[in-house]
Amino acid sequence: QVTLRESGPALVKPTQTLTLTCTFSGFSLSTTGMCVSWIRQPPGKALEWLGLIDWDGDTFYSPSLKPRLGISKDTSNNQVLLRMTNMDPVDTATYFCARSPIVGAIPDGMDVWGQGTTVTVSS
Amino acid sequence: SYDLTQPPSVSVSPGQTASITCSGDKLGEKYVCWYQQKPGQSPVQVIYQDNHRPSGIPERFSGSNSGNTATLTISGTQTLDEADYYCQAWDSNTALFGGGTKLTVL
Repeated sequence: QVTLRESGPALVKPTQTLTLTCTFSGFSLSTTGMCVSWIRQPPGKALEWLGLIDWDGDTFYSPSLKPRLGISKDTSNNQVLLRMTNMDPVDTATYFCARSPIVGAIPDGMDVWGQGTTVTVSS
Repeated sequence: SYDLTQPPSVSVSPGQTASITCSGDKLGEKYVCWYQQKPGQSPVQVIYQDNHRPSGIPERFSGSNSGNTATLTISGTQTLDEADYYCQAWDSNTALFGGGTKLTVL
């Protein structure tokens, strides 16, 4: 059974750096074709993809947020980390991680999602 | 930048067919996924690679993608299908989501 779970602070102050952890089970991020994405959703708004890390450790980011984002992995502990700098109240959102497999060079999208973690940016 | 456009809302009567569209430039040349999200819950993938259903997704969900438009079709819509639906595609190693469509079943 594939599961993912996000964890991290519920509240951060403006200008601070946010670090979230995605802990997963049921698959290995060292398997060819396996990726993990981060997605966020502000209250009452649409989903927004932030970026992903693949089995090789390569990372891809949303162009609009790339300067502020960093995604890394700890394969031995089955974890993926998201780091977002210079947090602002507009970054208040629920943050999700999701498995994003690539099968035969075709991305399958995000097939299993975590429950999400809510982050509020406020002084 | 590449944009995906969805209608904000779609209404359907129980038992009827609901169609939710997603538009983008030459979208038919990309693979599209669809996600269902109910209030307070995480999204669930209901279609991948344009028209494939993940295990456990009812057969009444189907997808198509051609030209500039992808469509999610729900046949025999049930009240439990009431939710927000998002399309998603990849463009230059970047994932993009549509703005979402609220499906009302009444």
